[in-house]
Amino acid sequence: DAMVIQNPRYQVTQFGKPVTLSCSQTLNHNVMYWYQQKSSQAPKLLFHYYDKDFNNEADTPDNFQSRRPNTSFCFLDIRSPGLGDAAMYLCATSRTRLAGAGGANVLTFGAGSRLTVL
Amino acid sequence: KNQVEQSPQSLIILEGKNCTLQCNYTVSPFSNLRWYKQDTGRGPVSLTIMTFSENTKSNGRYTATLDADTKQSSLHITASQLSDSASYICVVTTYNNDMRFGAGTRLTVKP
Repeated sequence: DAMVIQNPRYQVTQFGKPVTLSCSQTLNHNVMYWYQQKSSQAPKLLFHYYDKDFNNEADTPDNFQSRRPNTSFCFLDIRSPGLGDAAMYLCATSRTRLAGAGGANVLTFGAGSRLTVL
Repeated sequence: KNQVEQSPQSLIILEGKNCTLQCNYTVSPFSNLRWYKQDTGRGPVSLTIMTFSENTKSNGRYTATLDADTKQSSLHITASQLSDSASYICVVTTYNNDMRFGAGTRLTVKP
């Protein structure tokens, strides 16, 4: 089945130790997103790629970086995790980001990667 | 202030009962509204998508309504099952491609 796969599902890291989360998709979608979701809160968009075009949200800390080496893969790098970065990180894809294109911008989410910072 | 407000924050019902979740939004210009179901520890899964011209859309025991004039949507769950226990998230997208998430309603279905 076509899907969005995130690895690892659970990641424990130490304060300040870099961590990389990965996301792969078999949907051949053009857009890939990274969201941060803390307990009982709405997912917060960090950034997204439209093909190779990187779009950073204005309030995303510099500590968060992303790479998309090809259509299928996208990585979230947290350079120096702090205690406040402990959260669920959700990867999502959509065929397009155009809101007027019917359901083409419906998000397909991965299962998430839960990050714990000690 | 979040432009997508959901109520209640949490809800507990008995198995077999019906319930209705609310989503009020001020986001504009409105393009579409979607309801997602998020099981604990999992990513959200789309339940329904509604555009400006649609008032009602069903997906099995889930029925979503949309009143674009009052900017309100509801998600009605019929004959609830234990597997309906999850968070339900309302997402409103504008024609500027801006997606706004509600904080979700946490539903617990008890036997």
